[in-house]
Amino acid sequence: SQQGEEDPQALSIQEGENATMNCSYKTSINNLQWYRQNSGRGLVHLILIRSNEREKHSGRLRVTLDTSKKSSSLLITASRAADTASYFCATSQAGTALIFGKGTTLSVSS
Amino acid sequence: GAVVSQHPSRVICKSGTSVKIECRSLDFQATTMFWYRQFPKQSLMLMATSNEGSKATYEQGVEKDKFLINHASLTLSTLTVTSAHPEDSSFYICSARDQRLTNEKLFFGSGTQLSVL
Repeated sequence: SQQGEEDPQALSIQEGENATMNCSYKTSINNLQWYRQNSGRGLVHLILIRSNEREKHSGRLRVTLDTSKKSSSLLITASRAADTASYFCATSQAGTALIFGKGTTLSVSS
Repeated sequence: GAVVSQHPSRVICKSGTSVKIECRSLDFQATTMFWYRQFPKQSLMLMATSNEGSKATYEQGVEKDKFLINHASLTLSTLTVTSAHPEDSSFYICSARDQRLTNEKLFFGSGTQLSVL
């Protein structure tokens, strides 16, 4: 089963621009996490935000969480070609598996 | 950080054969591991939850007799795709949670690309 939707499904930007991806989910959550996946490879954990948090930063990443709207956003500032990848949000309740969204494919051109 | 090792990374097999994929937590114990499947250009779909010492819990639509899961120790879970067919070709990835940690972060293996001819 999948938790929800991400938009956009695909995003193409130039190096230096910011990239914003949105994620919506359906059920109550314990936390929401964002992952990156390069083509054909495993997942890289980017950031985790708990249900009682509203915003979190990590380097060039900024994540927001609005539990009233059941949505989250991931902002990548000053994007680089190396940021080209698929990005997934994933949610879980305490002790359960992560349920992934459909993902956003980001393409950053130099 | 915690490491999850998954083998093999790639396997090609003939239709009708069985394939075993191993998932090991290298520096922590995991009473629970999760198995996901990912088709090309799609997201990860949870297949089953592997519980050490007990039967796995399968998601709706996943055949337990087709995808055999064994979690015989606190550091090893295996997924066996029995009588594989071309439609089973997919990227399989396992994950585990380090229960010493208070957060809910899951650690993922590097995945197994299965191609059934």
